[in-house]
Amino acid sequence: GAVVSQHPSWVICKSGTSVKIECRSLDFQATTMFWYRQFPKQSLMLMATSNEGSKATYEQGVEKDKFLINHASLTLSTLTVTSAHPEDSSFYICSASPSGMGETQYFGPGTRLLVL
Amino acid sequence: KNEVEQSPQNLTAQEGEFITINCSYSVGISALHWLQQHPGGGIVSLFMLSSGKKKHGRLIATINIQEKHSSLHITASHPRDSAVYICAVVSNDYKLSFGAGTTVTVRA
Repeated sequence: GAVVSQHPSWVICKSGTSVKIECRSLDFQATTMFWYRQFPKQSLMLMATSNEGSKATYEQGVEKDKFLINHASLTLSTLTVTSAHPEDSSFYICSASPSGMGETQYFGPGTRLLVL
Repeated sequence: KNEVEQSPQNLTAQEGEFITINCSYSVGISALHWLQQHPGGGIVSLFMLSSGKKKHGRLIATINIQEKHSSLHITASHPRDSAVYICAVVSNDYKLSFGAGTTVTVRA
């Protein structure tokens, strides 16, 4: 089946630093990738939609200058949390839709971010 | 009010019991996912439905588009089925909206 990987799976960083999270579709091309955030005991919240070769679309309340998204190829999207603060500590999950199959989404294993 | 409502919030069952989780939604959708999230956080899509019924092993998912309702059933439940089950609806622009999840605990 389709596989989506995320790297790193865990990251601990100091407040003020930037953290980059990668999302890769390993065996399919994904025109669209999605980034979600999940706080403890809460459901996932969509942060942004990432389209290959164009600017990401951010959901209301998500700062585009803080959460930089780059989708440079059909198999890779990156999320950079800039100047991370403790309140950014969360579980970040990506999903990818195979090109032409918009309703289908395959999820990555998630990245747990802890900002000290 | 959330666009996607799940019930129950928590569910405890004895091994072998039949489990049902319900999902109601209030918006037009192109499809609905049932997702499974284990304690480590990883998410697996169990089913994607746009109509009718699907079965995979001991899992059955149904959807009634007119009533905007879907159910996930687990037959002959097992402790390894313990997880959070999440209903997510796909809007016409392919964005997912998630229910709050149902925490299922199956005791041996």
